[in-house]
Amino acid sequence: ILNVEQSPQSLHVQEGDSTNFTCSFPSSNFYALHWYRWETAKSPEALFVMTLNGDEKKKGRISATLNTKEGYSYLYIKGSQPEDSATYLCAFLVIQGAQKLVFGQGTRLTINP
Amino acid sequence: DVKVTQSSRYLVKRTGEKVFLECVQDMDHENMFWYRQDPGLGLRLIYFSYDVKMKEKGDIPEGYSVSREKKERFSLILESASTNQTSMYLCASSLTRQGKPQHFGDGTRLSIL
Repeated sequence: ILNVEQSPQSLHVQEGDSTNFTCSFPSSNFYALHWYRWETAKSPEALFVMTLNGDEKKKGRISATLNTKEGYSYLYIKGSQPEDSATYLCAFLVIQGAQKLVFGQGTRLTINP
Repeated sequence: DVKVTQSSRYLVKRTGEKVFLECVQDMDHENMFWYRQDPGLGLRLIYFSYDVKMKEKGDIPEGYSVSREKKERFSLILESASTNQTSMYLCASSLTRQGKPQHFGDGTRLSIL
């Protein structure tokens, strides 16, 4: 059974502080790793699709790194704002004929004003 | 912008009923997916489809079936609803190309009484 693990499960951060969390995935048969942000009462929204070892991607105050050899990705948020409160999901792309994503259980981030 | 539309935000049904959840996407995506989300478990794949009339079982297909008669529409069917199918259901679509993310609908919160 393919396992994608995210840690921590939940996180409370003071507004203005920076934070990061982890996604662990299998280090073999790597094709891509996805990050999504899911705000309450909205649909999950794609943040990054990462495909190359050593990849670093950035979108405003959010950035992500990728290490496919050891099977982990970090998501960083710099200077957290209340609108960053959301569940952050990572997903590992599996290709067995068709393509599908295997999701981690998510990190629920709450920014305290 | 890709739009994935799910037919209902909230739905209440009774045990034993046959339940249909509908999903429509407007961007000519080949792939469509149905997930359920339960607290602490992340998104779990029920069924997916990579072409019209094609379907593949995901990780938790028991008690569900799907239909894809047209490219833009993917239906999830609960053959005989049970209380353990009370959950949030999310539909998503994507292109087949590897670096492309999935696009999600707003979700249907289904309660089976």
